[in-house]
Amino acid sequence: EDKVVQSPLSLVVHEGDTVTLNCSYEVTNFRSLLWYKQEKKAPTFLFMLTSSGIEKKSGRLSSILDKKELFSILNITATQTGDSAIYLCAVRTNDMRFGAGTRLTVKP
Amino acid sequence: NAGVMQNPRHLVRRRGQEARLRCSPMKGHSHVYWYRQLPEEGLKFMVYLQKENIIDESGMPKERFSAEFPKEGPSILRIQQVVRGDSAAYFCASSPPKGDHTIYFGEGSWLTVV
Repeated sequence: EDKVVQSPLSLVVHEGDTVTLNCSYEVTNFRSLLWYKQEKKAPTFLFMLTSSGIEKKSGRLSSILDKKELFSILNITATQTGDSAIYLCAVRTNDMRFGAGTRLTVKP
Repeated sequence: NAGVMQNPRHLVRRRGQEARLRCSPMKGHSHVYWYRQLPEEGLKFMVYLQKENIIDESGMPKERFSAEFPKEGPSILRIQQVVRGDSAAYFCASSPPKGDHTIYFGEGSWLTVV
């Protein structure tokens, strides 16, 4: 059975801290790994990763995939209160499977 | 190009009633996914459909839940004889038929069972 595991499940930091969110997976027919940010409405797309070792960056967020060790990390530097959300990792196979999410709370 | 449209956005049902949630994918998308999000939890896969076909329903509860995506019209997630534990946000997502694309989410249908 395909499995996507995120850690930690929740995280509380202060503004300015750097956080690293983890996503490991065991799936058949891996095609890509995606990160989403979910606030109150629908998840919004952050990154799609298909190749190992190539970092994707968007502002203070960056992500990288290791297809040999079957994991990805999402880094957020200089966190802000607006980064508070659930961060979802999803793996695309023949469909799309999500991890349980990491709930990030950034305190002022 | 309108996004993924879900309706109703909010639905209240009494225990034992039926809930019917609709999802119209983005134009040109023929793949639809349904997810459920319970309070304080992440998204859980329910079912993956293409037009007139259920591809993967491994996340669907065995009873009371069904989904379809007819040739014409929206995809429908149907929950019969709802119970309090069915209260959740139900998200639909769609993707194009080919290629390695991200999926695009609707804004969810929030079901409350009273």
